[in-house]
Amino acid sequence: EDQVTQSPEALRLQEGESSSLNCSYTVSGLRGLFWYRQDPGKGPEFLFTLYSAGEEKEKERLKATLTKKESFLHITAPKPEDSATYLCAVQEGSGYSTLTFGKGTMLLVSP
Amino acid sequence: DTAVSQTPKYLVTQMGNDKSIKCEQNLGHDTMYWYKQDSKKFLKIMFSYNNKELIINETVPNRFSPKSPDKAHLNLHINSLELGDSAVYFCASSQGVQRVQETQYFGPGTRLLVL
Repeated sequence: EDQVTQSPEALRLQEGESSSLNCSYTVSGLRGLFWYRQDPGKGPEFLFTLYSAGEEKEKERLKATLTKKESFLHITAPKPEDSATYLCAVQEGSGYSTLTFGKGTMLLVSP
Repeated sequence: DTAVSQTPKYLVTQMGNDKSIKCEQNLGHDTMYWYKQDSKKFLKIMFSYNNKELIINETVPNRFSPKSPDKAHLNLHINSLELGDSAVYFCASSQGVQRVQETQYFGPGTRLLVL
């Protein structure tokens, strides 16, 4: 069973059409939930870290929220330059641990 | 200045060859990682080093051997390359596993194609 599930797999929006991406997780002892953006041919670029349920973070047109079971990445009035794959990852437990990634949501924003 | 850099960016080679990928970070981080991203874009951890010591070793064929000469460098050597090794390999770094905030910063990737 996947620990991190992202939906939808792909999303096509018109410029200005707001929407949300979902990341649900089943790990216990969440240490942190991370959102990354990945452009074609490039490495993942860090966007947000969330630690506790109820936490929210914003950056330009993006807003990330966290509950005990899932996280949402809200995109308000997207622009074509927001087109990318958005990756969600979780880190659990303490001590030595790493990130477990979801399979990503590919977002395409048309002008 | 590039925070996490990898060389080469592209690597095309024949099955059975041995190749290496190099990674360097200038962030002063203690921990470095190798990830593999397959054709479906799924990113999966392979190895992690903290201060030159191997701390995470996922189920990876022993043809893959990471080496960390110092905490700013982490190299990946692959022996007897197979077709299934074709993927994009990403290096990443973070401050250190004992800290709460373990944001990882990724390099640009090395695209490996085995023919």
